[in-house]
Amino acid sequence: DTGVSQDPRHKITKRGQNVTFRCDPISEHNRLYWYRQTLGQGPEFLTYFQNEAQLEKSRLLSDRFSAERPKGSFSTLEIQRTEQGDSAMYLCASSLVLEGDTQYFGPGTRLTVL
Amino acid sequence: DQQVKQNSPSLSVQEGRISILNCDYTNSMFDYFLWYKKYPAEGPTFLISISSIKDKNEDGRFTVFLNKSAKHLSLHIVPSQPGDSAVYFCAAVQGAQKLVFGQGTRLTINP
Repeated sequence: DTGVSQDPRHKITKRGQNVTFRCDPISEHNRLYWYRQTLGQGPEFLTYFQNEAQLEKSRLLSDRFSAERPKGSFSTLEIQRTEQGDSAMYLCASSLVLEGDTQYFGPGTRLTVL
Repeated sequence: DQQVKQNSPSLSVQEGRISILNCDYTNSMFDYFLWYKKYPAEGPTFLISISSIKDKNEDGRFTVFLNKSAKHLSLHIVPSQPGDSAVYFCAAVQGAQKLVFGQGTRLTINP
């Protein structure tokens, strides 16, 4: 069990550029979640998938954000036309619903928009 | 609307003593509660959880207490160790869906 992995760990980009993050969940976990954390706050929910189906999206997820989980395994989160307000830690978590509600988090991707 | 609140931004405890971190919630539909520990530049690490049908869950040095009538939960760490210094988040979930987090409490264990 290698845990949840995220790539890249850090990303610095210029305002207006597009960025894409990847998350690989724990093997056989059927749920995958994306959260965003800014300084001094707890993580905030963005969206989640059960297998390949995207079941819920937060109102925080503007139309510049899109997430996919095409084969029910890894997921990508893309931010188009980045803004300075998008600077945050983007966290991915996974869970196996049949074993309760515990979500296990990856190390996160730190995004800095200049 | 902050559904999960941690009213103490920071807590300082002497090594070997008990650390008590508190969390309040407003949504009575939450059915599962979790505590996570977070170091800088890392993702949250799961510590312990409790179902709403229980009032206590213990795992080694960590015990979580749930008072449903008061909509309050607490995490007890005893004895506290220097490696426990981190930010602690409580989180709540309804129906195995998204986690709702508190703002976190920074715990510092002093030697």
